[in-house]
Amino acid sequence: DTAVSQTPKYLVTQMGNDKSIKCEQNLGHDTMYWYKQDSKKFLKIMFSYNNKELIINETVPNRFSPKSPDKAHLNLHINSLELGDSAVYFCASSQQGYYGYTFGSGTRLTVV
Amino acid sequence: AQSVTQPDIHITVSEGASLELRCNYSYGATPYLFWYVQSPGQGLQLLLKYFSGDTLVQGIKGFEAEFKRSQSSFNLRKPSVHWSDAAEYFCAVDTSGGGADGLTFGKGTHLIIQP
Repeated sequence: DTAVSQTPKYLVTQMGNDKSIKCEQNLGHDTMYWYKQDSKKFLKIMFSYNNKELIINETVPNRFSPKSPDKAHLNLHINSLELGDSAVYFCASSQQGYYGYTFGSGTRLTVV
Repeated sequence: AQSVTQPDIHITVSEGASLELRCNYSYGATPYLFWYVQSPGQGLQLLLKYFSGDTLVQGIKGFEAEFKRSQSSFNLRKPSVHWSDAAEYFCAVDTSGGGADGLTFGKGTHLIIQP
């Protein structure tokens, strides 16, 4: 059983399109996150969700919107995709006091 | 706000030689500390973590790291590297214990292994 699963693994799309990346965790964790890894491999947190509440939003453009239908899912929706959105997006989960993070395998988004 | 510095962008080591990757953090207290490895085209694999107690932490694949409070450092070491260790290594800090702040990553060190 995969603890944190993301779909799709690869996503190629044209500029201006809207796309979503899905994430599911079966660990019962309270908090889920989205990270972006840019072309220079730098990893930066985009959002965290705790019990369906957005906790932080690190100056991410409002074209990006996290959606959490329940505690086990945190999807990332991106409107009007731009070339600069090309990156690898990682979902992760954790829980207060767990002292660890479980990452998904990543979604490589390419905007052409 | 917390920050993590990995001063070496690239490191080249001969196979069989020892390795040390540097990591310094900036935070008002002692954070939780992590090292992750990312092989080309792969996800993030946890090598080891420090929360409290013994400042020398053992991890997977023969790696260890030492927390030094006085230097705000958490350097990663391996006594003898293998070609399969070639990868990107990330140091990260957690200041909320698995809570809302998530992990803050350094910019990574790219490890190259020479035959």
